[in-house]
Formats: sequence, C-alpha cells, structure tokens
Amino acid sequence: DTEVTQTPKHLVMGMTNKKSLKCEQHMGHRAMYWYKQKAKKPPELMFVYSYEKLSINESVPSRFSPECPNSSLLNLHLHALQPEDSALYLCASSQVLQGDEQYFGPGTRLTVT
Amino acid sequence: QKEVEQDPGPLSVPEGAIVSLNCTYSNSAFQYFMWYRQYSRKGPELLMYTYSSGNKEDGRFTAQVDKSSKYISLFIRDSQPSDSATYLCAISGGGADGLTFGKGTHLIIQP
Repeated sequence: DTEVTQTPKHLVMGMTNKKSLKCEQHMGHRAMYWYKQKAKKPPELMFVYSYEKLSINESVPSRFSPECPNSSLLNLHLHALQPEDSALYLCASSQVLQGDEQYFGPGTRLTVT
Repeated sequence: QKEVEQDPGPLSVPEGAIVSLNCTYSNSAFQYFMWYRQYSRKGPELLMYTYSSGNKEDGRFTAQVDKSSKYISLFIRDSQPSDSATYLCAISGGGADGLTFGKGTHLIIQP
C-alpha cells in the first residue's frame, strides 16, 4: 500500500481565518514533505520533516506553520493567508530522506478569499 | 540555466502510438530519477524510479537514463486515451532535499 491521505480535499478560507491541513501515511516512512503547486506549474518544496524533525524550510512565510505530531502525521497550519496563497497543497512521504522515491497524496485545493 | 529542462508541450499523438517524453538536467550530482503522472487537479502518481544509467521497464512504460548526457526519457507503448495527463520528471541529488521537478509535459492521446 503506497497511500498518502490528505484532508480536507477542498478548503475555502478568508484572509483572517485559521485552518489546518492534515496528511497521514501508514507505510512506515520516516520522511514527509509539504509542496505547493500553482496551476500549470510543477510542485514547489515548502518543508521537509525527517524522523519528526524539521529538516528543511524553503524560506516559506511564517503564515504557514508545519507540525509533525508523530511519524505518521503531518499538519500544515494556516493563518492570515493572502489570495496568492491559493494553490494545491501536496503532502508526500518517502522511506528515508535521501534519494528515496516519494509518494504523493491527492492534495488539498485551497482558495483564499 | 534551469536545473531540469522539460518541454511543456502540449504533445498530441494518436491512440496506439509510442510516446517519448524527455528531460535534461545540468547537475551531475543528481543520482535518482523519477517520472510522475498527474491528472488534472489530482496529486502526482509515481510511475517509475531509477538510480542508474540504462533502461527500466514496467508494463507499457520504459524509463531510460543516460547520466553521461544528463538526459532521461520515458517511453509509453500502445498509448491509450487514459494516458492523457501531465508527465513530470523529478530528480534528486540524494541529499537532504526534496525533488527538483521539470515543468511537466502535457500529453494528449487522441482516440
């Protein structure tokens, strides 16, 4: 089973709202990732967690706050977003951090109004 | 020069044709090569993974890597309308980083 699940599938939020995106995998993977994908563009890396510790933060604004409660779960907390943050947010996982194939979830389509 | 170059297309071919999708890369430190298929408004689906030069086959799909030329390819045999999607090449250096993606090629298989 190579399934990564994400909730919600769709989210509409105002610029003053606080919301969270959730990601879960049960493959025993120890690396998890958040990517942002705009229309007709490839995914862009936001954060990398390895063994529940933040490994990479690709200069993402502080209005995005990741959290890794345990080895199976990854959250992305959203606060005071801008309309330009509207995108498909993808979670991925891999067995280990270095060079392993990454499996993606279906994504959360976020619209900021 | 971008790290990974991929023609965005669209590439339109008739059903049953052999499709060739390609990427070039500039960093010789890249060691791990993946191809993903992405349908509209869905997450990318891993099709092929390889870390060495040569060919790897899985059903109708063949991935080819030429490290000396920094060139990777994905071939799709007996293409079907259901293969219509965006195909993304993705490359990793093997370090503590994510994937470097090409722009993606939009493929259309005409019935």
